[in-house]
Amino acid sequence: NAGVTQTPKFQVLKTGQSMTLQCAQDMNHEYMSWYRQDPGMGLRLIHYSVGAGITDQGEVPNGYNVSRSTTEDFPLRLLSAAPSQTSVYFCASSYGGTGEDTEAFFGQGTRLTVV
Amino acid sequence: AQKITQTQPGMFVQEKEAVTLDCTYDTSDPSYGLFWYKQPSSGEMIFLIYQGSYDQQNATEGRYSLNFQKARKSANLVISASQLGDSAMYFCAMREGHIDYKLSFGAGTTVTVRA
Repeated sequence: NAGVTQTPKFQVLKTGQSMTLQCAQDMNHEYMSWYRQDPGMGLRLIHYSVGAGITDQGEVPNGYNVSRSTTEDFPLRLLSAAPSQTSVYFCASSYGGTGEDTEAFFGQGTRLTVV
Repeated sequence: AQKITQTQPGMFVQEKEAVTLDCTYDTSDPSYGLFWYKQPSSGEMIFLIYQGSYDQQNATEGRYSLNFQKARKSANLVISASQLGDSAMYFCAMREGHIDYKLSFGAGTTVTVRA
């Protein structure tokens, strides 16, 4: 029962490097999202997807790119890493049906440091 | 404007006592959902409890209960009989309408349980 799996758990990048944070879920959820967590600011939405082939921007999308070719996978790409992208990144998925009580399931998080 | 406000950055509570974590929210959507998540020092996000805007009764889940005051737009989390394992960061979050993939989070409250 894996749920939402994120890799890697830790990463150090140099300014200007690019990388992809992986996220996979095995719950057949339609909705997937990426958040970043910074001290004193809670979690903020970066990008989200409501199904394969459909993505859109959240609150803080600049410097990030996403795609959703399958229901299971939702990778987050950092195009040219900057120190301001040092953060903890969470991937989340949810059922996306008409139910009122569908909570989001979160991955373990990726702690990213850009030097 | 901030959609979720948690005014208590940190709290101390004695083991076996109850603690109340404050959360106020701002939305004009008549349909919304409120969530509480726990983040222990290991970093994962753990879903605790959910309250829908149309729910007539306050939500309860074991030692967790939600004091929902709709007119005041508050959704305070009450943890009864605190345990050492309750020491963690707690986040209040809101979904507006049926948009499960977009959660707005508060800044969080750190709870430390003392023996």
